[in-house]
Amino acid sequence: GQNIDQPTEMTATEGAIVQINCTYQTSGFNGLFWYQQHAGEAPTFLSYNVLDGLEEKGRFSSFLSRSKGYSYLLLKELQMKDSASYLCAVRVWDKLIFGTGTRLQVFP
Amino acid sequence: EAGVVQSPRYKIIEKKQPVAFWCNPISGHNTLYWYRQNLGQGPELLIRYENEEAVDDSQLPKDRFSAERLKGVDSTLKIQPAELGDSAVYLCASSDRGESYEQYFGPGTRLTVT
Repeated sequence: GQNIDQPTEMTATEGAIVQINCTYQTSGFNGLFWYQQHAGEAPTFLSYNVLDGLEEKGRFSSFLSRSKGYSYLLLKELQMKDSASYLCAVRVWDKLIFGTGTRLQVFP
Repeated sequence: EAGVVQSPRYKIIEKKQPVAFWCNPISGHNTLYWYRQNLGQGPELLIRYENEEAVDDSQLPKDRFSAERLKGVDSTLKIQPAELGDSAVYLCASSDRGESYEQYFGPGTRLTVT
């Protein structure tokens, strides 16, 4: 079967740093995506990792360890607008398998 | 560049009624996906099209769900008859099979079955 685990909820303070973890056990692996989804809106692409290591893009970074089946999304200098759900998704061949998402609440 | 367009945005129907959702993908994107997202969950793939061919419909409940993508562009997803458990957000996404297979999502249709 396919299993992707993320924490259900996290809270953080404006200006802080937060790390959202994702562990996966899938029948194959062709890359890992992070999507952001504000309530009532479509998921939007944040990052894509296919090789081990850290990918940095502005305030957001994503890390992948294929041997450990582990990824994290790092959000720096948190802003109120970062309050959203963050979805980890593993690409298995041409299919994306999503985790349940982590709901992040940023407080002033 | 216009994004993925879906309509309607919201739909409320009584159980046993039929319902249809429409999706127009990003121009030039050959791959189209329909997902269902239940509250507090991640999207789950229902069906994937490559041009007009359904290449993965293993998760589509075929007794009541049907989909088509005529001419390999727009797509419709139909439920007949709807059940209470079908209440969810139905998302359409498209991709161009580039290096990352990044998928672009539409705003979704929120279906409520009463």
